[in-house]
Amino acid sequence: DAMVIQNPRYQVTQFGKPVTLSCSQTLNHNVMYWYQQKSSQAPKLLFHYYDKDFNNEADTPDNFQSRRPNTSFCFLDIRSPGLGDAAMYLCATSRDWGNGYTFGSGTRLTVV
Amino acid sequence: GESVGLHLPTLSVQEGDNSIINCAYSNSASDYFIWYKQESGKGPQFIIDIRSNMDKRQGQRVTVLLNKTVKHLSLQIAATQPGDSAVYFCAENINLDNQFYFGTGTSLTVIP
Repeated sequence: DAMVIQNPRYQVTQFGKPVTLSCSQTLNHNVMYWYQQKSSQAPKLLFHYYDKDFNNEADTPDNFQSRRPNTSFCFLDIRSPGLGDAAMYLCATSRDWGNGYTFGSGTRLTVV
Repeated sequence: GESVGLHLPTLSVQEGDNSIINCAYSNSASDYFIWYKQESGKGPQFIIDIRSNMDKRQGQRVTVLLNKTVKHLSLQIAATQPGDSAVYFCAENINLDNQFYFGTGTSLTVIP
């Protein structure tokens, strides 16, 4: 089935140690999004790609970076994770602007 | 963008009863709305959508009502089942904007 796959489901990283989360999609959607979701809160958009064009939200910390080497894959890099970065990270795709999202299952990040 | 609440509204219903989950939005230019269901530890799943040229849309056991006059959206779930227990988010899009804006979310608990 076409879907959005996030790996790993759970990630534990040490304070300050770089970590990369991955997302892949078989939907051939143009847009890929990364959201951060903390407990009992709505998802918060970090950035997104329309094809290869990168769009960063104004309040996304510099500590968060992203790469999209091809249509299918998108990565979230956290250069120096802090305790406040512990959250669920959600990848979503959409065919185009204004189309509904398909979400992955998320990666739960723990910082120790 | 929409505000992100820190306190998740909760709703408890008896199995078999109908549930109504509400969402207020603030931008009168919003023209496309989606309800997502998020189960614990998973990514949000699409439930139903509605465009601003409609005021009601029905799916299987779910109905979305849109009142543009008061900028209010509701999700009705008929014959609520234990599997409906989740957090429900409304999301809005404005004129094919590059992202959806998520509401605070409501936690639904179904009591067997």
